[in-house]
Amino acid sequence: NAGVTQTPKFRVLKTGQSMTLLCAQDMNHEYMYWYRQDPGMGLRLIHYSVGEGTTAKGEVPDGYNVSRLKKQNFLLGLESAAPSQTSVYFCASSPPGTLILAKNIQYFGAGTRLSVL
Amino acid sequence: DAKTTQPTSMDCAEGRAANLPCNHSTISGNEYVYWYRQIHSQGPQYIIHGLKNNETNEMASLIITEDRKSSTLILPHATLRDTAVYYCIVRSLNDYKLSFGAGTTVTVRA
Repeated sequence: NAGVTQTPKFRVLKTGQSMTLLCAQDMNHEYMYWYRQDPGMGLRLIHYSVGEGTTAKGEVPDGYNVSRLKKQNFLLGLESAAPSQTSVYFCASSPPGTLILAKNIQYFGAGTRLSVL
Repeated sequence: DAKTTQPTSMDCAEGRAANLPCNHSTISGNEYVYWYRQIHSQGPQYIIHGLKNNETNEMASLIITEDRKSSTLILPHATLRDTAVYYCIVRSLNDYKLSFGAGTTVTVRA
């Protein structure tokens, strides 16, 4: 049981390049999330998904797109990378069930460290 | 507008209990208190959460005051591997996101 797996672990991009970050979970979780963490700061929600085929914007969605074509995968895309997107990106998932979202514990991956030059 | 206030840092001796305070004076009746930690260069790890009763699991205990305006996370026997940033988070019933503040940097010393 691997939990939440993120690939790649590290990446360096040039300004204007595009890339896709992959998040995969093997826990049959309904909800999945993408956060970013900048130095000395807490995590901020980029986008999230409450089920296969659905996505929604979080706090800082600009410059990113996401897709959830399969329940176990959540992709984060950068169409034209900018230096401001240099960050550590974390994916999380939470289990199905309760209508009270606050009870849904989120489990995180190890992160992808992205530098945009 | 931060919902929680935590000390910036604290030290703890290995083998002793670590008591981490958190103030959340504006918490409303249906908001939960969550604790996560982040060990250097790793993803956040769930520790414990509660609404109003004290909670205990294999990692820690959570003590919430009767008025719910503050709470304490207790690591009963701190080890060097507990060195991390600890985040106290107040989460609304229908809040998808976890709002991480600056947290408390806990250093466990031998």
